Amino acid sequence: GAVVSQHPSRVICKSGTSVKIECRSLDFQATTMFWYRQFPKQSLMLMATSNEGSKATYEQGVEKDKFLINHASLTLSTLTVTSAHPEDSSFYICSAIDTNTGELFFGEGSRLTVL
Amino acid sequence: DQQVKQNSPSLSVQEGRISILNCDYTNSMFDYFLWYKKYPAEGPTFLISISSIKDKNEDGRFTVFLNKSAKHLSLHIVPSQPGDSAVYFCAAYGQNFVFGPGTRLSVLP
Repeated sequence: GAVVSQHPSRVICKSGTSVKIECRSLDFQATTMFWYRQFPKQSLMLMATSNEGSKATYEQGVEKDKFLINHASLTLSTLTVTSAHPEDSSFYICSAIDTNTGELFFGEGSRLTVL
Repeated sequence: DQQVKQNSPSLSVQEGRISILNCDYTNSMFDYFLWYKKYPAEGPTFLISISSIKDKNEDGRFTVFLNKSAKHLSLHIVPSQPGDSAVYFCAAYGQNFVFGPGTRLSVLP
């Protein structure tokens, strides 16, 4: 079946550095992808909607200059956490809509730890 | 091998009746379960969750039941309303998140 792959699954970085997380749809094209943030034992928070070839749409309260999203192809969206701080430590999850069927598939998440 | 299964891809219910959405999982290490609701052209929104130490959690018209021995959880919506028509995703959390494939609920007026 369709798979959405996130890489890396775990990353540890120093405060002040930038981290890039990739989200790939492995066997379908995804015009639209979503990025979420999940704090432990809390609800999934939609950060932004990523549309191929255009600027991402950010949810209220999400800093677009801090969380850079690029959706350069129909199978890849990237989230870059710039100048990461310990409070950015979290799970980041992506999902992608199969352009042909409209189905939504989730990645397994990327755990970011900022020291 | 799917760790989280939603065996019914779709479900139709009459308005006012109970909607029951089911989810089965295989990994006994999951310790938190969540339900999300998704309308067309929108991202999923959080609905309700349950910790593995509980067997029931209720929030308004929504109740989630967890049967750990059967590795089964269900979402009950009572009474169902047309606005509840959406795709419902079950998710489990252990060391990472695993989502089910979703069940499309149609509430008929």
